[in-house]
Amino acid sequence: KQEVTQIPAALSVPEGENLVLNCSFTDSAIYNLQWFRQDPGKGLTSLLLIQSSQREQTSGRLNASLDKSSGRSTLYIAASQPGDSATYLCAVSGSNYQLIWGAGTKLIIKP
Amino acid sequence: DAGITQSPRYKITETGRQVTLMCHQTWSHSYMFWYRQDLGHGLRLIYYSAAADITDKGEVPDGYVVSRSKTENFPLTLESATRSQTSVYFCASSEARLGYGYTFGSGTRLTVV
Repeated sequence: KQEVTQIPAALSVPEGENLVLNCSFTDSAIYNLQWFRQDPGKGLTSLLLIQSSQREQTSGRLNASLDKSSGRSTLYIAASQPGDSATYLCAVSGSNYQLIWGAGTKLIIKP
Repeated sequence: DAGITQSPRYKITETGRQVTLMCHQTWSHSYMFWYRQDLGHGLRLIYYSAAADITDKGEVPDGYVVSRSKTENFPLTLESATRSQTSVYFCASSEARLGYGYTFGSGTRLTVV
């Protein structure tokens, strides 16, 4: 059974720092991996999607990498801003087409 | 306004009562999903629908019922609410089953007392 783990559960850093969020999964047979952002009291917003054949995806200050063989993905945020404060979730899709989600990393960027 | 709307935003109900959570999308997306989110857990899929009148179970379907008579609506019913169903419920829609292009609603916080 696929399990997705996100470490750390919470992270607080000063504004301007570059940071890395981690996501690991137990079954390397995935179709894709996605990173989402969740703001308090709101729904989730898709940030980046990496297909299983890809190594990384970039969008603005965000860069996500995927290493299927080791079951790991990282989300790199450059030059963090207070507006980046949110919970970040990763999700993988497998052969049954269901998304399996991590519990999230709560990120706080201090001004 | 285009988007996906959930109602109510907050609901308190008693154990044993039936409660329905509503979800309406204006995108005409084929797929719709219901998730629950609990502290310390990731989102867990309850039910999903590939089109009107087509629904299927997800990871945690017990105690829930769904219907989809129209493409734009996907209500979730708790037939006899239990305290373990206290959670935040999210509805989502997508053109693809694999989840890219997801649009999420703002969620319904349900408390069963």
